[in-house]
Amino acid sequence: GAVVSQHPSWVICKSGTSVKIECRSLDFQATTMFWYRQFPKQSLMLMATSNEGSKATYEQGVEKDKFLINHASLTLSTLTVTSAHPEDSSFYICSAPQIARVTEAFFGQGTRLTVV
Amino acid sequence: AQKITQTQPGMFVQEKEAVTLDCTYDTSDQSYGLFWYKQPSSGEMIFLIYQGSYDEQNATEGRYSLNFQKARKSANLVISASQLGDSAMYFCAMRERNSGNTPLVFGKGTRLSVIA
Repeated sequence: GAVVSQHPSWVICKSGTSVKIECRSLDFQATTMFWYRQFPKQSLMLMATSNEGSKATYEQGVEKDKFLINHASLTLSTLTVTSAHPEDSSFYICSAPQIARVTEAFFGQGTRLTVV
Repeated sequence: AQKITQTQPGMFVQEKEAVTLDCTYDTSDQSYGLFWYKQPSSGEMIFLIYQGSYDEQNATEGRYSLNFQKARKSANLVISASQLGDSAMYFCAMRERNSGNTPLVFGKGTRLSVIA
């Protein structure tokens, strides 16, 4: 069964509004979670690393004020796309590593965001 | 420089035949992990197989095997007895330092089409 749950699977929002995406680790605690973005026909690109109890670290070129990350508990990280614009339309997917299981790396189901 | 290179944007294979998807990587770390994922049109990332840099034997998981050539820095995925359901995007990924707290870096992917 899934070890990482992501919600919602898809969302359509109006330009200028904010959207929150949740990533939960199931049956294990994750002090770190990773957020990736995938534009159509492209690969997954790391956006940011979410750290429980501290600030997220963002990759170069990712606006931290636009993509707010909150890792408030050991099983939940949220990504909020603020003031979304059509160019933010993409597939967002999270990964929650299990430290002791380096031979696997599981992902959430992903969220397809469409901004109209 | 790209850390993961997948040179085949698209591949076709006849049903029941075997196919090899190429992947080369670049790292100066001695400890790293190599992963292959399947991404169907739904977007979910399905973990297929893992190879650790210190593993002497090639990894196998059912119909999937990883042809690991460390000196050449290649980690090709071999799918035997292709099925129509194997049609999808396939991504090769690497995790340097092979720690659960390190994110994966992905190649650009190969789209596999299985023909009946």
